[in-house]
Amino acid sequence: GDSVTQMEGPVTLSEEAFLTINCTYTATGYPSLFWYVQYPGEGLQLLLKATKADDKGSNKGFEATYRKETTSFHLEKGSVQVSDSAVYFCALSGNASWGKLQFGAGTQVVVTP
Amino acid sequence: DTGVSQDPRHKITKRGQNVTFRCDPISEHNRLYWYRQTLGQGPEFLTYFQNEAQLEKSRLLSDRFSAERPKGSFSTLEIQRTEQGDSAMYLCASSTTSGGSYNEQFFGPGTRLTVL
Repeated sequence: GDSVTQMEGPVTLSEEAFLTINCTYTATGYPSLFWYVQYPGEGLQLLLKATKADDKGSNKGFEATYRKETTSFHLEKGSVQVSDSAVYFCALSGNASWGKLQFGAGTQVVVTP
Repeated sequence: DTGVSQDPRHKITKRGQNVTFRCDPISEHNRLYWYRQTLGQGPEFLTYFQNEAQLEKSRLLSDRFSAERPKGSFSTLEIQRTEQGDSAMYLCASSTTSGGSYNEQFFGPGTRLTVL
């Protein structure tokens, strides 16, 4: 079945450092890919998405490119802030018409001043 | 609209008791999803509704679990004869539908269940 694997955390960074969180997936067909973020004490929020190969999703300075050849969707941000401290989840939907989500285990990111 | 709401936010129960959780989706959303999240893991799909019809259930949803959405608005998730392994965060999400394109799922804050 479909699955998502993402790098384990916690990832600890200094403010203004470059962030990469690796995500790879296994799926049949052409899934849609997502990054969700969970800030402390808050619910899951969609951060960005890409629905076909080579699409780049971007939001709040974060980017991820749907790479079908490597089955990857790595999340990057060029300069993190303390407010980016959160748990980040990579997810896929194997059927875009109804959107059941398959999540990775999550990566905690801690940004220190 | 205030987003997806869930009630209660926390529930502590003894093993063997029944519990029921409620989810109120965003008002115009016709799809509603339940997920379960255990510590250190990502959410796992349990079931989903389109309007009042329950269209899919995960094999994670044992016979002790039942979900309803009687009028196509709020939904309830009941767990009978709770077990310690049921301890988790139960998340609800809702979305609209529009043709074949993806529609963002909006998540509620979750109900944290602790089974003693």
